[in-house]
Amino acid sequence: AQSVTQLDSQVPVFEEAPVELRCNYSSSVSVYLFWYVQYPNQGLQLLLKYLSGSTLVKGINGFEAEFNKSQTSFHLRKPSVHISDTAEYFCAVTPPGYGGSQGNLIFGKGTKLSVKP
Amino acid sequence: KAGVTQTPRYLIKTRGQQVTLSCSPISGHRSVSWYQQTPGQGLQFLFEYFSETQRNKGNFPGRFSGRQFSNSRSEMNVSTLELGDSALYLCASSLSPTSSDTQYFGPGTRLTVL
Repeated sequence: AQSVTQLDSQVPVFEEAPVELRCNYSSSVSVYLFWYVQYPNQGLQLLLKYLSGSTLVKGINGFEAEFNKSQTSFHLRKPSVHISDTAEYFCAVTPPGYGGSQGNLIFGKGTKLSVKP
Repeated sequence: KAGVTQTPRYLIKTRGQQVTLSCSPISGHRSVSWYQQTPGQGLQFLFEYFSETQRNKGNFPGRFSGRQFSNSRSEMNVSTLELGDSALYLCASSLSPTSSDTQYFGPGTRLTVL
């Protein structure tokens, strides 16, 4: 069974500083990996996804993530954050294939990023 | 192109009642998934529909049910509401159930059970 661990529930950071949000997954099979962002009172928006190929994935809003198979990690990074990046970020996995055998996306508990001026 | 639409956005019910939530997917999307989001349990998968068929179901009691119509619109129903059913219910649509197809989420329906 797959599971996702987001190591930090809250990450405070000052504006223009770099940030890394950590995500580790557990799976006996290969998986697809996703990062979603949720702004207050809104649904989830896809930031980026890793399906295959280059382990460095670039997403929207200047975010990128690196897939590390040996460490089963998919950490999200941004070199310089803005106040508008304040939101909750979710890492998710799903097994490759048609619909997956365990349903759909399996999410981590989320990391609340708070960007201070 | 319009995004995923969920109605109603907010709902207040009392214990024992039932509720129906609606989701209209992005035009052309035939796969719809539902998730429950609570502070304690986080985001949990409820069910997935494709071409009017339930393909997958999460670990929820039988009080939670759903269906998908021929136009891909989906509804979920919760009967005999409990306080613990208070949550944000999110609907997501994608072109197909293929895992590589991105799921696009709606704004959610906030259900409060009193």
